[in-house]
Amino acid sequence: AQSVSQHNHHVILSEAASLELGCNYSYGGTVNLFWYVQYPGQHLQLLLKYFSGDPLVKGIKGFEAEFIKSKFSFNLRKPSVQWSDTAEYFCAVIGAGNMLTFGGGTRLMVKP
Amino acid sequence: DGGITQSPKYLFRKEGQNVTLSCEQNLNHDAMYWYRQDPGQGLRLIYYSQIVNDFQKGDIAEGYSVSREKKESFPLTVTSAQKNPTAFYLCASSAGWGTNTEAFFGQGTRLTVV
Repeated sequence: AQSVSQHNHHVILSEAASLELGCNYSYGGTVNLFWYVQYPGQHLQLLLKYFSGDPLVKGIKGFEAEFIKSKFSFNLRKPSVQWSDTAEYFCAVIGAGNMLTFGGGTRLMVKP
Repeated sequence: DGGITQSPKYLFRKEGQNVTLSCEQNLNHDAMYWYRQDPGQGLRLIYYSQIVNDFQKGDIAEGYSVSREKKESFPLTVTSAQKNPTAFYLCASSAGWGTNTEAFFGQGTRLTVV
């Protein structure tokens, strides 16, 4: 079965710091990749997605992610975080059996 | 507005009781899903349905049951056989099943066993 690993469970940054959240998956075939965000008290929202084409994907709110097939990775980045980016971030993959599998999540806290 | 509605938002259950969580979508999506969210474990798939009158077990189906009698509805029953039911439950839907689709989520139901 495929799996998704998010290495950082908790990240604390100051405003204007750069962000990179790691995501690795285990499936070797064709994959679709997603990052979702869950702001406090709100439902999961899609940040960005990769289906095919340019491996550098730009999403909402200044986030981007890069698909590196050789590393089975899809890391999320933002050059300068804001206090409003405080949330939990989930990486997800559709791969084996067309199942949508999520990572364990990363809680980001941005200090003002 | 189109979307996914889960109810209730909070639910309390006594041990030994079955309880049903509601999920309704008006997005005309074929596929629907139930996930369980626990701290540090991400979202784990309980059941999914690709089409009306069909559903499949996910990774942690034991102690749960579902039905899909209508396209827009996918209720989840947490039975007394579920040993650790206290959790946050998320329902999702997507236009299709598999690649090149994205899932949309409801606001969730927090179930607490008392």
